[in-house]
Order: sequence, then structure tokens, then C-alpha cells
Amino acid sequence: EDQVTQSPEALRLQEGESSSLNCSYTVSGLRGLFWYRQDPGKGPEFLFTLYSAGEEKEKERLKATLTKKESFLHITAPKPEDSATYLCAVRPPKGGSEKLVFGKGTKLTVNP
Amino acid sequence: NAGVTQTPKFRILKIGQSMTLQCTQDMNHNYMYWYRQDPGMGLKLIYYSVGAGITDKGEVPNGYNVSRSTTEDFPLRLELAAPSQTSVYFCATSGGLLSNQPQHFGDGTRLSIL
Repeated sequence: EDQVTQSPEALRLQEGESSSLNCSYTVSGLRGLFWYRQDPGKGPEFLFTLYSAGEEKEKERLKATLTKKESFLHITAPKPEDSATYLCAVRPPKGGSEKLVFGKGTKLTVNP
Repeated sequence: NAGVTQTPKFRILKIGQSMTLQCTQDMNHNYMYWYRQDPGMGLKLIYYSVGAGITDKGEVPNGYNVSRSTTEDFPLRLELAAPSQTSVYFCATSGGLLSNQPQHFGDGTRLSIL
């Protein structure tokens, strides 16, 4: 069974304290890895798509990277408004091409 | 620009009742999806549709039904509601993963079954 594991489950940072979130997967032949941000009471908001090992994408204080077995979401000098749950999802090679497998998320809290 | 609109936002049902969760989109996307999100768990795909008149089962379809008569609308039907269906339901749309398009989500329907 395709597995997506996110760690840590929760992370508490001080404003300005950089860190990374991890998403590891057991899917072989990955056909895309997606990062989403989810605020309380809201739906997931798309951040990045990564397709091949070595690929990197950036948006403001966030940078996503991809290796053959995991992805990292690096947060540089975070601000309180970066507090949210960050979700990772992968598109496996088998089964319906439209299906995504989601991890359970990392809840990030940034204190002022 | 509304994007993906879900109604209602909240609902409480009694065991055995039925209801329809509505999802409509103005993004002109062919692909639409229904997920459920339980506390501490990842999103689970219930059903999806690749276009009007075409639907397919996801990971957890039991107890649910869908139909897709138009590009814009993709309602999810719960028949004989059970406590295990208490969850937050999200609808999403996409231009299609095959074309490398991400999924865009509505803000969910929070459903409690008592």
C-alpha cells in the first residue's frame, strides 16, 4: 500500500526560527508530489508541485525540495501568519491517474 | 471569483437520515473530487469524476453516492447516515493530474451524525 508519512506531527517555532518539515513516501515511480497549506476551518490551499529528484520550488519564506524518497518544506525566518497545517500528497503510478495519497500533515505554530 | 463552493457549511444529522452535500465550481475544470478528513488522519478520496456523466470510486466509497450531470456540479449523497460518517467533507476540482494541474479545494462541510 502506498504510504505517505509526514514528520513531525506538530512543530512549534519562535518567529524567525527556521526549520524544515519532512514528507517521506514509499511510492515507486512517483508521478508528482504536492504540498498544501490548510488553515483551521478552511480547505487545503495549493503551494507547490514537484516531479523529479533534485527539483526545488520557492514561494516567499517557503522552499520545497524533492529526493527519491522524501520531500522537505523549508521555512526560513517564519512569521506567525505561517502558522497552519502543511499537507503533503503524492500521485502514485498505479491505479487511477487522478488519485492522490495524502499524509496526515504537520501542524506548525509560529509564536511572536 | 468563487472557485469551489460547498453547501451547507455545517450540518447535524440523525442516524438513518439522508442528505446531499452540494459542490459547485466556476473554474471550468473537468475533474472533481470528494474527500473526507477525520481528525488526525489524512484526506481520503471518496469518489471522483473526470467529466459530466463519468464517476469512479475512490478509497472509501461505501455509504456514499455521486452523480455528475453538469461540469459545474458534483453532489455527494449520504444514504442512511451512520456515526462513522461524522467528518469534514471537502470537494476539489482540477484541470487534471495528467496535465500536471493541482487540485483546488472548497472550504468543506462539517457533518455530525448523532
